[in-house]
Amino acid sequence: EAQVTQNPRYLITVTGKKLTVTCSQNMNHEYMSWYRQDPGLGLRQIYYSMNVEVTDKGDVPEGYKVSRKEKRNFPLILESPSPNQTSLYFCASKYYREDTEAFFGQGTRLTVV
Amino acid sequence: GDSVTQMEGPVTLSEEAFLTINCTYTATGYPSLFWYVQYPGEGLQLLLKATKADDKGSNKGFEATYRKETTSFHLEKGSVQVSDSAVYFCALSDLGKGRRALTFGSGTRLQVQP
Repeated sequence: EAQVTQNPRYLITVTGKKLTVTCSQNMNHEYMSWYRQDPGLGLRQIYYSMNVEVTDKGDVPEGYKVSRKEKRNFPLILESPSPNQTSLYFCASKYYREDTEAFFGQGTRLTVV
Repeated sequence: GDSVTQMEGPVTLSEEAFLTINCTYTATGYPSLFWYVQYPGEGLQLLLKATKADDKGSNKGFEATYRKETTSFHLEKGSVQVSDSAVYFCALSDLGKGRRALTFGSGTRLQVQP
């Protein structure tokens, strides 16, 4: 089954404790992206990757890191989380073609206290 | 750069009412256009798409026509149901150097009352 898998689904952590949210896709997609969703602000792009070892900043990259060492994985790293990073996070992937749809993970709800 | 503008919500309708959610876009190239839907507690999923001017995408009674002259891709449904209550996102995919490949609007929440 084609899918994008994010883990964990829910996470509560404390300020400053490094964490990683994993994202994996099984569709051999070139393009992967991270978004955060906050009430009233819609979906905001954090980072994206057009292929292995190619990443670029989205609209709100501050406080986040990503890596794309393998085609299927695109982890999101918060080196020193802060309460303003409390949000719902989505990973997405698609073929690097304009006419193809993006597939989304189920989301990770992160709370930083 | 590319951008997508959607009407603000929430949109509240009674069951069987007609729905329009406006979407306009700005793009450098020749994008494909999409509508995604997010049901409560879930990720986004594709609702419909159109890949070139004058194409009409349709699915589950929803329709949208790619209008290049007005740079619009408005979502319509003739008779909404309570089960259509969700957040709807308009998006475009535009490839090329310096472009992000996928740009979303801010989303429009639809609430359908029985």
